[in-house]
Amino acid sequence: DGGITQSPKYLFRKEGQNVTLSCEQNLNHDAMYWYRQDPGQGLRLIYYSQIVNDFQKGDIAEGYSVSREKKESFPLTVTSAQKNPTAFYLCASSISSGTGASYEQYFGPGTRLTVT
Amino acid sequence: AQSVTQLDSQVPVFEEAPVELRCNYSSSVSVYLFWYVQYPNQGLQLLLKYLSGSTLVKGINGFEAEFNKSQTSFHLRKPSVHISDTAEYFCAVSVEQFYFGTGTSLTVIP
Repeated sequence: DGGITQSPKYLFRKEGQNVTLSCEQNLNHDAMYWYRQDPGQGLRLIYYSQIVNDFQKGDIAEGYSVSREKKESFPLTVTSAQKNPTAFYLCASSISSGTGASYEQYFGPGTRLTVT
Repeated sequence: AQSVTQLDSQVPVFEEAPVELRCNYSSSVSVYLFWYVQYPNQGLQLLLKYLSGSTLVKGINGFEAEFNKSQTSFHLRKPSVHISDTAEYFCAVSVEQFYFGTGTSLTVIP
């Protein structure tokens, strides 16, 4: 079964701790993305990667970091510098069309992070 | 800059009634268009997409959408909704980047 897995489904952390969210895909997609979702605000792009060992900041990258050492994996670290980290985090992947635009994005089930 | 506007944040509709969820985008170049559905505490699932060709696109769960280039719209429709259609719906545009609307919460009333 091809798809995207995110783990864990729910994550709880104390303020001041870094936490890493996992995202793995077996769709052989080159591009991967991280989004943050807050109630009433839709999806906001944190980071994206079009190819292994390369990634770009999205609209709200401050307080987050990523790595892309393997095509299948794109972990997201929420650092203690992120002022309001409690949110629902979604990982996605896609095929690039080659013209800059991407075809549909496929989403994982999400990780709900709660920081207290 | 590109943008996607979903005109209605909440749409209540009675079961078996038709529904239209509106989406407008701003772009002067060719785009790819998508509708996604999200159930509570889940990821987004692709409902349908427009890449090229026929402007009427059929998707899963009985949904369809029509691409209107002159009005830069991509409204989602279903002729008869079910309770199970209650969810959040997102319109998205792909140009050089993916842009999502803020979502429309569809509530189907028994």
